Amino acid sequence: QSALTQPPSASGSPGQSVTISCTGTGSDVGGYNYVSWYQQHPGKAPKLMIYEVSKRPSGVPDRFSGSKSGNTASLTVSGLQAEDEADYYCSSYAGTIVLFGGGTKLTVL
Amino acid sequence: EVHLLESGGGLVQPGGSLRLSCAASGFTFATNAMTWVRQAPGKGLHWVSAIDGSGAYTYYADSVKGRFTISRDNSRNTLFLQMNSLSADDTAVYYCAKNVGSAVAYDCWGQGTLVTVSS
Repeated sequence: QSALTQPPSASGSPGQSVTISCTGTGSDVGGYNYVSWYQQHPGKAPKLMIYEVSKRPSGVPDRFSGSKSGNTASLTVSGLQAEDEADYYCSSYAGTIVLFGGGTKLTVL
Repeated sequence: EVHLLESGGGLVQPGGSLRLSCAASGFTFATNAMTWVRQAPGKGLHWVSAIDGSGAYTYYADSVKGRFTISRDNSRNTLFLQMNSLSADDTAVYYCAKNVGSAVAYDCWGQGTLVTVSS
């Protein structure tokens, strides 16, 4: 049950776009369309940003988008804003369990 | 408004037991799968266990299988996690989370309850 692989950090200036990757295997990310992304600010509970690869829950800005190619999923944040600075975690269904990525700290420069 | 409130965390000695509860409100509890996710201090999220709406099907991470038991009381809109044989590796904030319908995603999280395993 290895965690999904995310870059530890990412950054961008306000207004720019940044993409965070999430790499798994054919038994998790590549095998199912159940990839989700969560935003977590310090001391707060996670917040669902994307589910089923590319669906956005109501209330999540359309600046956030998700995609998947093979065993790698991606979260793109367009038009970066200061409040987007947070930790981001991907997750994927993997049969009877769920795996999370190690998290990516997004810094808005 | 959907709301989840965990309780039952605290300090426990290695080898001890603890039972976490999660009180749910604002949605039809019995029709939603529920999940426990934990986060060790300064670390990332780790999926622990899940249960379907009826309570008939349960799922566990290998790291807790045989030690933790997830259950629910739909008449009280409450989710539980019984944790036995605790070790320092179980020290974490434990979140309960509501699944998005049949999807494997969590659209509502509690504020978390801290479990500290230490002598």
